[in-house]
Amino acid sequence: DAKTTQPPSMDCAEGRAANLPCNHSTISGNEYVYWYRQIHSQGPQYIIHGLKNNETNEMASLIITEDRKSSTLILPHATLRDTAVYYCIVRVSFTGTASKLTFGTGTRLQVTL
Amino acid sequence: TAGITQAPTSQILAAGRSMTLRCTQDMRHNAMYWYRQDLGLGLRLIHYSNTAGTTGKGEVPDGYSVSRANTDDFPLTLASAVPSQTSVYFCASSDDHRGTDTQYFGPGTRLTVL
Repeated sequence: DAKTTQPPSMDCAEGRAANLPCNHSTISGNEYVYWYRQIHSQGPQYIIHGLKNNETNEMASLIITEDRKSSTLILPHATLRDTAVYYCIVRVSFTGTASKLTFGTGTRLQVTL
Repeated sequence: TAGITQAPTSQILAAGRSMTLRCTQDMRHNAMYWYRQDLGLGLRLIHYSNTAGTTGKGEVPDGYSVSRANTDDFPLTLASAVPSQTSVYFCASSDDHRGTDTQYFGPGTRLTVL
């Protein structure tokens, strides 16, 4: 799986958009970009994933650059409950075969009033 | 639906004792996983199961065993606990809908071995 680089921490004011960057310059053509988050003491929570097109769901948007070497997770209106560690994971996706997720150190997002 | 449930929420265990951590999912996912998370470290895979009746070793399997008798349950057993197994344990399951295997995690079991 490709290595990812994320800033260790970020701050965001409540109600503003939180833009979390991730570099994955060695990504392969068949590797997806996944985002998970972990709120203190809870299990990791899936947010979104994509291959090369931008994706949006009820939680967030994922913007992947055309060369796929970096991506940005966007929380459009951050709330205090979005304070968490956010993990960007790049991996080949498997069907029918279990495969581990490799969590790096992630970005600790602090949402403030 | 409940998703993934784990029991117990937390446990203090004497070294040398055995214990089974329970994990149940109601999403009919084929694959299930056990991870451990230690302070300052990321999640590490202990064991996994592609489907009922099959299991496999992850990156840190020593001291742990698993079974997968049916789709819903994936218990993790520590036969003789040691202090280095003090950790938070997360169970996960994944589907392969739309050609990707998104993993969903349970709330975790905090285990302290003394």
